[in-house]
Amino acid sequence: ETGVTQSPTHLIKTRGQQVTLRCSSQSGHNTVSWYQQALGQGPQFIFQYYREEENGRGNFPPRFSGLQFPNYSSELNVNALELDDSALYLCASSLGQGDEKLFFGSGTQLSVL
Amino acid sequence: DQQVKQNSPSLSVQEGRISILNCDYTNSMFDYFLWYKKYPAEGPTFLISISSIKDKNEDGRFTVFLNKSAKHLSLHIVPSQPGDSAVYFCAASGSLNYGQNFVFGPGTRLSVLP
Repeated sequence: ETGVTQSPTHLIKTRGQQVTLRCSSQSGHNTVSWYQQALGQGPQFIFQYYREEENGRGNFPPRFSGLQFPNYSSELNVNALELDDSALYLCASSLGQGDEKLFFGSGTQLSVL
Repeated sequence: DQQVKQNSPSLSVQEGRISILNCDYTNSMFDYFLWYKKYPAEGPTFLISISSIKDKNEDGRFTVFLNKSAKHLSLHIVPSQPGDSAVYFCAASGSLNYGQNFVFGPGTRLSVLP
């Protein structure tokens, strides 16, 4: 059983650029959630995708957008990067939108200079 | 405005003793609570959960207690082992059926000393 994998593991961008982060969900999971974890804080919910549709969104601006593909893998896109976007971005998959257990990837560490 | 608080950033416990990690929440709409454990360079892993219809849930060495009137939950680890050294996050949700908007606390770093 393959776990949740994220790429890249680390990324450095400059302010104003755009970034795409990728996530492959665990086998059999149709729901993917994205979280942002700033230094010293807990993960903060960005949004969730269920069967290719956005199914809930946290308090993040529209420049944070996402996609889910038919194989349930997912992308997180961030436009017009700001310094405060520097964080660990975690992807989590689950068996369904009502499943309590999120299976997290190791994350992508994004640094915005 | 933190809806889920873990007021102890760190905790050190001797191997074999009990570890008690605390969590407080402010939103009375939360009805499902979870604990996640995170090792360095890894994503958080699910540990144990409790719904608001219960006040206790056990899984091996891990027990979670919920006091709804006080809006407080705690995780007990007995006996503590060096492998339990990690950051522990408390998380809460008002609904599992839409958006899985889990609100996480800032975490408590547990160190179990041999």
